[in-house]
This record gives sequence, C-alpha cells and structure tokens, in this order.
Amino acid sequence: AQSVTQLGSHVSVSEGALVLLRCNYSSSVPPYLFWYVQYPNQGLQLLLKYTSAATLVKGINGFEAEFKKSETSFHLTKPSAHMSDAAEYFCAVIKGGSEKLVFGKGTKLTVNP
Amino acid sequence: EAGVAQSPRYKIIEKRQSVAFWCNPISGHATLYWYQQILGQGPKLLIQFQNNGVVDDSQLPKDRFSAERLKGVDSTLKIQPAKLEDSAVYLCASSFAQVGNTGELFFGEGSRLTVL
Repeated sequence: AQSVTQLGSHVSVSEGALVLLRCNYSSSVPPYLFWYVQYPNQGLQLLLKYTSAATLVKGINGFEAEFKKSETSFHLTKPSAHMSDAAEYFCAVIKGGSEKLVFGKGTKLTVNP
Repeated sequence: EAGVAQSPRYKIIEKRQSVAFWCNPISGHATLYWYQQILGQGPKLLIQFQNNGVVDDSQLPKDRFSAERLKGVDSTLKIQPAKLEDSAVYLCASSFAQVGNTGELFFGEGSRLTVL
C-alpha cells in the first residue's frame, strides 16, 4: 500500500516563481515525514523532516514544508525558484510502529530561465 | 567528513550473470541500508542492517539477491543470476541511529546496473 502519494511526476516553474511540490500521506497514526532531494547522478540528500515538534518545518536551501493533519498533507514550498533547484524531490514517511522509511515516486522539478 | 562510498558506479552485464556492489558507510554509522531505485520510481528498501544484524530484508528477493555486512562496517550486495528487471540504481545509505530509524539517511551516489 502506498504510504505517500506525490501529485505530479513533473513540475515546471520559471526562475523566481513559487515552488509547490505536493505530498499526501496515508496513516491513521501521525507519521514522521521527510523530503529528500536528488540532483542528477547524485545520491539523495535530506531537505527537511517533520517529527511532530512544529507543523511548519524549515529546511536547507530555503525550502519549507507544512504538516496539515486535516488534509493529510506535507507539501514542500520555496518562495522563489533558482536554477540550481532543478532536481528530483522525494517525499518519504516512517509510519507509526514501523522502522521502514518509505519513499514516494518522486517529482522532477524543472526551472526555466 | 567522507560520505558514503559505493562502487562500481556503473555496471553492464548480461542476464543470468552475477554482479556485486560494495558500500562503505560513513564512519561510526551503525545502520546501513540498500535501496533499489528503478527508473521513474522512488527508492525501495531491499535490506537494512543495524551493526552486523539484519533488521529488515522483507523486500529482498532472496532467491537471487544476497547481502552481508562485514564486521559492522562495509557491505556487499550480490545479484545472481541477474534478470532484466534488475536494471536499476542500487543506493547505499547509512545512519548514525543505534536504535530505530530517525529517517535521517546519508546516501551514496549509487551503482547503476544495466542488464542486457
């Protein structure tokens, strides 16, 4: 069963525009949630994580994500896209009672000049 | 601080042949993971070690895949015999967590396998 669903396999934005990458989770128990980024030909790198301390989580490179229990969402945003943000972004979850980190299918972000 | 090292970066083999991938985690990291990333999909956990022991290998196809972690440090992942559907990037990751999973994993650059 899919634990996280990323809406949109490809997102394209203009440089300077808002970045919004969507992630919804399926869990009756509040999970731990993560966003990872993968630059071309590189391994994944942790952007940010939610562990119930605060609903708005700030990460590296100006990214942030907000945990919304009512919407079972954990969308990733950045106010102004840079060319260097072009990469693939993965939402991931550790469900309550599990020790397994499960990744979504990923969203490829393209930034146009 | 050195990152997670993996080799080889690229490997092309024919089906039914065997292949092995090597991973050296970040020094001091107790937990080591092998993930399989098929093109267009997110990484899928194959096996998780904590020190020398296996924590989770429920998604490892044990009829053809094997993995070991030597002395709680380096690890090798072997595929024998390979099938066409094994074409993927094999990612190794490590974590400092001694118990449980913090979700904070450090990934290597991966080993890209093509099976012809």
